[in-house]
Amino acid sequence: KNQVEQSPQSLIILEGKNCTLQCNYTVSPFSNLRWYKQDTGRGPVSLTIMTFSENTKSNGRYTATLDADTKQSSLHITASQLSDSASYICVVSANTGGFKTIFGAGTRLFVKA
Amino acid sequence: DVKVTQSSRYLVKRTGEKVFLECVQDMDHENMFWYRQDPGLGLRLIYFSYDVKMKEKGDIPEGYSVSREKKERFSLILESASTNQTSMYLCASRRFELNTGELFFGEGSRLTVL
Repeated sequence: KNQVEQSPQSLIILEGKNCTLQCNYTVSPFSNLRWYKQDTGRGPVSLTIMTFSENTKSNGRYTATLDADTKQSSLHITASQLSDSASYICVVSANTGGFKTIFGAGTRLFVKA
Repeated sequence: DVKVTQSSRYLVKRTGEKVFLECVQDMDHENMFWYRQDPGLGLRLIYFSYDVKMKEKGDIPEGYSVSREKKERFSLILESASTNQTSMYLCASRRFELNTGELFFGEGSRLTVL
């Protein structure tokens, strides 16, 4: 069964600290993995996309990693800011010839001053 | 900038009422989607459309229908709203790329059914 599991469910960190969010998936055959950021009351916005051959990709203070062998991805946030408070959603697409995109439940990040 | 606009941010309806949620995108995207988002669950696909007048059921289509008469507009219809349809509804659009394109989301419509 195609699944995407994220951990932790929620996380509280102090401003300026780093954190890492995890995503494990069983989606097959794998096409790509995206991390989305969803601010409270807004729609999700894409942060990064990773394909099978990519191990690391950065977008400012956000760095995503992918291990296609173990089917794990992580999103590392460096020097967190209050504006990083949001839900982070891992989304995996399957290459089935049709549309199959599986969403994780998200990690809710709270950054405190 | 890409823009997906959902007509209503907040709605309160009574059980049995008919509900229309409208979504408009200005990117000339072929694909459009309706999801619902509930706490602790990932986004779940209700319906999607590859092109005008085309629609496909997603994972949870029961109790919903859709309409795509024009390329830029995709409407979600609840024929007879029920309390278990209280949720956040998100519309998204995407260029026609098999499973690789970025989804662009609207701001969401929070529906409460009493």
